[in-house]
Amino acid sequence: AQSVTQLDSQVPVFEEAPVELRCNYSSSVSVYLFWYVQYPNQGLQLLLKYLSGSTLVKGINGFEAEFNKSQTSFHLRKPSVHISDTAEYFCAVKIQGAQKLVFGQGTRLTINP
Amino acid sequence: EAGVTQFPSHSVIEKGQTVTLRCDPISGHDNLYWYRRVMGKEIKFLLHFVKESKQDESGMPNNRFLAERTGGTYSTLKVQPAELEDSGVYFCASSPRVYNSPLHFGNGTRLTVT
Repeated sequence: AQSVTQLDSQVPVFEEAPVELRCNYSSSVSVYLFWYVQYPNQGLQLLLKYLSGSTLVKGINGFEAEFNKSQTSFHLRKPSVHISDTAEYFCAVKIQGAQKLVFGQGTRLTINP
Repeated sequence: EAGVTQFPSHSVIEKGQTVTLRCDPISGHDNLYWYRRVMGKEIKFLLHFVKESKQDESGMPNNRFLAERTGGTYSTLKVQPAELEDSGVYFCASSPRVYNSPLHFGNGTRLTVT
């Protein structure tokens, strides 16, 4: 079975500071990797995904993530955050050929002015 | 295009009562999914429809949960009778029938069982 671990439940950072949200996964088969964001009172929105090819993936709103197969990680980064990035971020995996997503527990990112 | 809509946004019911959650997917999306997030934990898969057929219901917790998708359009998720541990946020998502299409999520229904 697959599992996803988001190592930090909450991450506070100052505005314009860089941020990294960590995600590790466990799977015996190849997976696709995703980051979703949930802004307050909204549904989940896809930030970025890794399917194949370059291990550095760029997403919306200036976020990027790097797939590291040897470390089974898919950490999300942004060089300079804004107040508007305040949200909860979810890492997810999907087995190749399957349909359902397996999510991590979520990381709440709070931006302090 | 209209997004995935879920109704109601909030529901508070007593233990033993019945609740029905509704999801209207994006028009033309054959895939429809239900997920649930219990307080502070991970979002968990419940089931997957392709049109009106259940493709995978391996995540349904028990037989108190019944999902339907009439005519391959909207879907309902009924909980009968509700228990305290059913409290959480229920998300619906849809996608077109194209491999690896991104899921479009609704805003969720927050269910509180007292």
